[in-house]
Amino acid sequence: AQRVTQPEKLLSVFKGAPVELKCNYSYSGSPELFWYVQYSRQRLQLLLRHISRESIKGFTADLNKGETSFHLKKPFAQEEDSAMYYCALSRQARDDKIIFGKGTRLHILP
Amino acid sequence: DAGVTQSPTHLIKTRGQQVTLRCSPKSGHDTVSWYQQALGQGPQFIFQYYEEEERQRGNFPDRFSGHQFPNYSSELNVNALLLGDSALYLCASSSRLAGGYEQYFGPGTRLTVT
Repeated sequence: AQRVTQPEKLLSVFKGAPVELKCNYSYSGSPELFWYVQYSRQRLQLLLRHISRESIKGFTADLNKGETSFHLKKPFAQEEDSAMYYCALSRQARDDKIIFGKGTRLHILP
Repeated sequence: DAGVTQSPTHLIKTRGQQVTLRCSPKSGHDTVSWYQQALGQGPQFIFQYYEEEERQRGNFPDRFSGHQFPNYSSELNVNALLLGDSALYLCASSSRLAGGYEQYFGPGTRLTVT
């Protein structure tokens, strides 16, 4: 079964400290992995996807096929990083449905 | 470009009633997907429309149906509403011509069933 697991509902991190949001997936095949973010009172938006290998707003995520993980990392947290983060996957096909995890709320402490 | 727009913003219905939600995709997009997001959960895929046809469907009953119009806008219809249908309904659009990987989400419609 296709599934995305985000084990932490809430993660509180001090400003300037490193951030790691965990994501594990279950999928038979080679999925495309994403991180979506939702800031307060804003709509859900794509943060990054594994195939592009970009760093967006200082965040990176490495796909580990052996551990079926796609953890999101940032070396130094900023207050504006406080948001809801969703890990998601789809087949490597155009416009395929996206399967989301339940999300992790990241709270940056001053 | 206003991006993906949805109407109405909020809606309150009674059990057993029917509801229609509307979505206008981002300019240049031709594919619309609908998601249901219950409180404390991630979005769940309902179905996707392209070229006015349902192309994919998630694990939702037939009470959930949809339509796509020639201008690419879309409607989501839910019949015989249940209390469990209370959720935020998200519409996302994408472009198959552009590769279709990035879906742009609307602000959602909050449906409350009493």
